[in-house]
Amino acid sequence: KNEVEQSPQNLTAQEGEFITINCSYSVGISALHWLQQHPGGGIVSLFMLSSGKKKHGRLIATINIQEKHSSLHITASHPRDSAVYICAPRKAGNQFYFGTGTSLTVIP
Amino acid sequence: GAGVSQTPSNKVTEKGKYVELRCDPISGHTALYWYRQSLGQGPEFLIYFQGTGAADDSGLPNDRFFAVRPEGSVSTLKIQRTERGDSAVYLCASSPDVSDTQYFGPGTRLTVL
Repeated sequence: KNEVEQSPQNLTAQEGEFITINCSYSVGISALHWLQQHPGGGIVSLFMLSSGKKKHGRLIATINIQEKHSSLHITASHPRDSAVYICAPRKAGNQFYFGTGTSLTVIP
Repeated sequence: GAGVSQTPSNKVTEKGKYVELRCDPISGHTALYWYRQSLGQGPEFLIYFQGTGAADDSGLPNDRFFAVRPEGSVSTLKIQRTERGDSAVYLCASSPDVSDTQYFGPGTRLTVL
């Protein structure tokens, strides 16, 4: 079993839809990254959070450390949001490990 | 300001050869991470540095892989006797400190023929 599970693996949405991507992990962590990877490979860090909720523009990330679960929400989705979204929890010792990602396609 | 840069962007080599991959982190960032990403997979942790020292190298797959950061800035990932299975995108990231957000470089695509 992977230590990090993301769902769904693939997601297609119409422009304007509200999107949720989920991440569950199996070990104790101190923080968690949400990353965005566009075709061609560039990775951008969207959030790093260790509790509660963070918001940046149309993006919202939440985490429940006790339940070992985090979610990334995108409001009013747009075609430029099309990318792979990767959840990366940080274990003790500052080592990050990564989910395989959720591939999002937003159709105009 | 300048982000994390990696050179070369692409490297093609033959099985058994030695390669060096370079990472220039954002100036002033003390933490530097190396990851490897195979096609269709998420990144896989290799090693991270805090300053000049390797704080955690538990992700290096075997002793053919080695990384240095002699002056606490630029880092080089070295792979000896390359194998076809080493083909991947090698990503570098830096952060102001280990507890901070990481900034990723564009990666080096290594192909071992």
